Amino acid sequence: SAVISQKPSRDICQRGTSLTIQCQVDSQVTMMFWYRQQPGQSLTLIATANQGSEATYESGFVIDKFPISRPNLTFSTLTVSNMSPEDSSIYLCSVGLARKEETQYFGPGTRLLVL
Amino acid sequence: GESVGLHLPTLSVQEGDNSIINCAYSNSASDYFIWYKQESGKGPQFIIDIRSNMDKRQGQRVTVLLNKTVKHLSLQIAATQPGDSAVYFCAENLVRSQGNLIFGKGTKLSVKP
Repeated sequence: SAVISQKPSRDICQRGTSLTIQCQVDSQVTMMFWYRQQPGQSLTLIATANQGSEATYESGFVIDKFPISRPNLTFSTLTVSNMSPEDSSIYLCSVGLARKEETQYFGPGTRLLVL
Repeated sequence: GESVGLHLPTLSVQEGDNSIINCAYSNSASDYFIWYKQESGKGPQFIIDIRSNMDKRQGQRVTVLLNKTVKHLSLQIAATQPGDSAVYFCAENLVRSQGNLIFGKGTKLSVKP
């Protein structure tokens, strides 16, 4: 597996502001993903972060609200824009490794509380 | 026994007993399945996986069983330890491609010393 880190690990933000979450992997990976996990709930895929092109968003998630960057094969960012208390969640990045593409490995998550 | 809590089903077992965590998956076309363990304050950790051409796979202290007829997946943990206390999620991959992981609701395993 790969070593995945996320920054920040947690944050408390005011409504109407934006927060950018970083995901760093210790090796080049083909696929990177962003998930949301609301309190006490399961994981929901937000989007696939594509290197060198626009992210692919799942139904219910839009680029204006969750802009994503992936400038290279080891790094991605997710921005939560114009936050409201409903955005309070854990945000997780995951990666798929080239030798076994279907398996996803997760970072530690970013715990976001919006007041 | 197993009970449904406010958010997650909970399974409470005695240390040393075997645990069985169940999952009903949604799509008969799913061909790959993963079990994850999520400890409090951490991201999901890969435990074991199984492809649809198998019905059983064993790891260290864990076994995954797949019943495609009834779309059921189970995770068996032998000699459950306090460190096994966590939320366990099953995930299914709808097609042979990345990004199509659909996660189940999760089961909270509580191990009593």
